[in-house]
Amino acid sequence: QKEVEQNSGPLSVPEGAIASLNCTYSDRGSQSFFWYRQYSGKSPELIMFIYSNGDKEDGRFTAQLNKASQYVSLLIRDSQPSDSATYLCAVNNHNAGKSTFGDGTTLTVKP
Amino acid sequence: ETGVTQTPRHLVMGMTNKKSLKCEQHLGHNAMYWYKQSAKKPLELMFVYNFKEQTENNSVPSRFSPECPNSSHLFLHLHTLQPEDSALYLCASSQDKTGGSGNTIYFGEGSWLTVV
Repeated sequence: QKEVEQNSGPLSVPEGAIASLNCTYSDRGSQSFFWYRQYSGKSPELIMFIYSNGDKEDGRFTAQLNKASQYVSLLIRDSQPSDSATYLCAVNNHNAGKSTFGDGTTLTVKP
Repeated sequence: ETGVTQTPRHLVMGMTNKKSLKCEQHLGHNAMYWYKQSAKKPLELMFVYNFKEQTENNSVPSRFSPECPNSSHLFLHLHTLQPEDSALYLCASSQDKTGGSGNTIYFGEGSWLTVV
């Protein structure tokens, strides 16, 4: 079992819809959680991070964390074609000094 | 611009060549990383340095040799590579490896390596 699991996709949504990206992790000692976006041929760039259970909103993006279920998600509202990219989930265990990335989910937003 | 600069951005080398990738971070971070990303494959962590000391080597072949002279600079020395080593090599940095405020990892633009 991978330490950080993401649906590989591809996930396809129409423009204007809500895209939902999911990530589960196995290390219960994980403390902080990150979503990165990677366009084809480019390096990953940070979108959001979340530490506490619940929702964290930033513009069209909402990160949701449920530590009991070991689950973190990213919702993209009013999806745009420019949101088409691979989204990487990363999980940090500060005590172990460890950052682990998922394999990524490829999102396509169709006009 | 993330504050992590990699050079060269593109490199083509023969299997008998020796070359180096360079990374410099201007963020005052103490941890630096090398990742490999092959076409349509996930990120693979190669090496981690924390306060200039190598703390992780994920079974990387010896034809890849990292060097971290100080907390701001990281090199990846390449020699006798194979065509399957062609990939995007990403340098990254974070505040430190042991904790801190979220320990966000910031990536450089990457160095595209082609081995012929």
